[in-house]
Amino acid sequence: AQSVTQLDSQVPVFEEAPVELRCNYSSSVSVYLFWYVQYPNQGLQLLLKYLSGSTLVKGINGFEAEFNKSQTSFHLRKPSVHISDTAEYFCAVTTDPIYNQGGKLIFGQGTELSVKP
Amino acid sequence: DGGITQSPKYLFRKEGQNVTLSCEQNLNHDAMYWYRQDPGQGLRLIYYSQIVNDFQKGDIAEGYSVSREKKESFPLTVTSAQKNPTAFYLCASSITWGGRNEQFFGPGTRLTVL
Repeated sequence: AQSVTQLDSQVPVFEEAPVELRCNYSSSVSVYLFWYVQYPNQGLQLLLKYLSGSTLVKGINGFEAEFNKSQTSFHLRKPSVHISDTAEYFCAVTTDPIYNQGGKLIFGQGTELSVKP
Repeated sequence: DGGITQSPKYLFRKEGQNVTLSCEQNLNHDAMYWYRQDPGQGLRLIYYSQIVNDFQKGDIAEGYSVSREKKESFPLTVTSAQKNPTAFYLCASSITWGGRNEQFFGPGTRLTVL
């Protein structure tokens, strides 16, 4: 079965600084990977996704992530954060439905990004 | 605008009562999902439906029930058998079930048991 680990539960950072939110996954088959953002008391919004092809994926709001198959990682980065980026970020993994337990989206525990002025 | 609506936004329940959370989508999606969110635990899948009149248990289905009589609607009932129902509940949908398809989320319902 697939699993996801977000290595940091909280990441404080100053405005305009770079940030990296770390995500590692476990799977014996090929995966699809997603990053979602959740603002307080709201639903989740897709930031970006990796399905196939280029390992560097660009998303909304200036975020990007790199799929590293050898390290089973999908870390999220932004070169310069804003106060408005303060939110919780979730990494998620799924596989093709043909595989055992495939099709279900498995979420990490979340990382709270706090951007300070 | 297409999207997913959930109601109510906040819900209070006395112990021993069943409550039903509403989820409606106008995206013409076949698949719908219910997740439970607790602090520090991410999202956990309660039930999912791949198509109308069909649904399957997710990872934490005990104490919950669903129906899918219409493509647009996927209500979740939290029964008195659910031992710890206080949580944030999120409904989602996707074009078809699983894999590479992006899931779109509603704004959530926060359930508190008094």
